[in-house]
Amino acid sequence: GAGVSQSPSNKVTEKGKDVELRCDPISGHTALYWYRQSLGQGLEFLIYFQGNSAPDKSGLPSDRFSAERTGGSVSTLTIQRTQQEDSAVYLCASTPSTGTDTQYFGPGTRLTVL
Amino acid sequence: AQTVTQSQPEMSVQEAETVTLSCTYDTSESNYYLFWYKQPPSRQMILVIRQEAYKQQNATENRFSVNFQKAAKSFSLKISDSQLGDTAMYFCAFYTGTASKLTFGTGTRLQVTL
Repeated sequence: GAGVSQSPSNKVTEKGKDVELRCDPISGHTALYWYRQSLGQGLEFLIYFQGNSAPDKSGLPSDRFSAERTGGSVSTLTIQRTQQEDSAVYLCASTPSTGTDTQYFGPGTRLTVL
Repeated sequence: AQTVTQSQPEMSVQEAETVTLSCTYDTSESNYYLFWYKQPPSRQMILVIRQEAYKQQNATENRFSVNFQKAAKSFSLKISDSQLGDTAMYFCAFYTGTASKLTFGTGTRLQVTL
């Protein structure tokens, strides 16, 4: 596709369950970012992948959060033992090289933890 | 650490009028990039305009322009001839290579009315 895609669009889960959120960046983009947007808030940085370098995980809020990027393309954000405070919209963005380029965002996944 | 402040949680403007959204930021960096993103109810983050800090000339994109005051660390967005389709959340964002991530403000909800 032409843009960044994310799946699922919406996810409802029960407290304590694990969830996986997927991001397909724009083809050829080497940098990929995950952000979290809680209700009424701006976007909060979670993690950044750049090519084959070690990811910048400095924004992950706890060790229940992890992400991987396979083959330099698709990325999966995993949240283990979900808590109600994890409810938010999770947005993925990609850029051709670094963030000095415009970041192109996907439509996000709305996660609701009951 | 960089911070971005948007002091107007909500604003309203009549169609065809002009509105200005304010944004201030704090950084010790000398080279950085500033962005305005629009987020309509669809959740899709859309780039409105981008400004490189080393450029003195204010960026413009059709009806959208910025007033970039580097010394004052101010980056306001002016929307001319407002249209109903401009109704959205507007986020100011800041990027430096040392942080390798976008730092967002909390957003301004803009409502364009007839």
